[in-house]
Amino acid sequence: NAGVMQNPRHLVRRRGQEARLRCSPMKGHSHVYWYRQLPEEGLKFMVYLQKENIIDESGMPKERFSAEFPKEGPSILRIQQVVRGDSAAYFCASSPRGSDYEQYFGPGTRLTVT
Amino acid sequence: DQQVKQNSPSLSVQEGRISILNCDYTNSMFDYFLWYKKYPAEGPTFLISISSIKDKNEDGRFTVFLNKSAKHLSLHIVPSQPGDSAVYFCAANRGSTLGRLYFGRGTQLTVWP
Repeated sequence: NAGVMQNPRHLVRRRGQEARLRCSPMKGHSHVYWYRQLPEEGLKFMVYLQKENIIDESGMPKERFSAEFPKEGPSILRIQQVVRGDSAAYFCASSPRGSDYEQYFGPGTRLTVT
Repeated sequence: DQQVKQNSPSLSVQEGRISILNCDYTNSMFDYFLWYKKYPAEGPTFLISISSIKDKNEDGRFTVFLNKSAKHLSLHIVPSQPGDSAVYFCAANRGSTLGRLYFGRGTQLTVWP
């Protein structure tokens, strides 16, 4: 039973480019969460999605960041016009239900902006 | 604002002894608490959880204690093993916020032989 999958594991982008991070939840899980971890920090919630719906995006920066979880395919976190401050580890988690199940995390994508 | 706090960035314990990791929270609406373990270059791995209606939950070598009046929880690992060396994150959830987890900054546990 495959766990949460994220790709790429490492992504290098120059300032101003776009970054696309992908997340495939565990089989049978329909809830996806994105978190960001800056150096020396804990994980910070960004967005919570169900298939074709954004449930809570209160942790997303207002500009340049967007997320989707289409009916078919992985969830995508998109960062436009990246800046150095976007360099971080981005983790995706999934759960079978919204609020009262543990979230299972993927290995993360480490984004480096040069 | 940091609603979940882990005030000890690191803890060093000898193999076989007890490790106690602490966590404080400020939001009285939190009703579910979790501990995650994280190795370098990997995602957090769920360890153990506790609902606010309980004050203790045990799973093998791991026990979590919750003191709601003090807004404090702790994770006990007995006996500690070198493989337990990792960063431990405390997390909390408010049922009304549909799954969003609030994390502490983590405690690096080192278990030495």
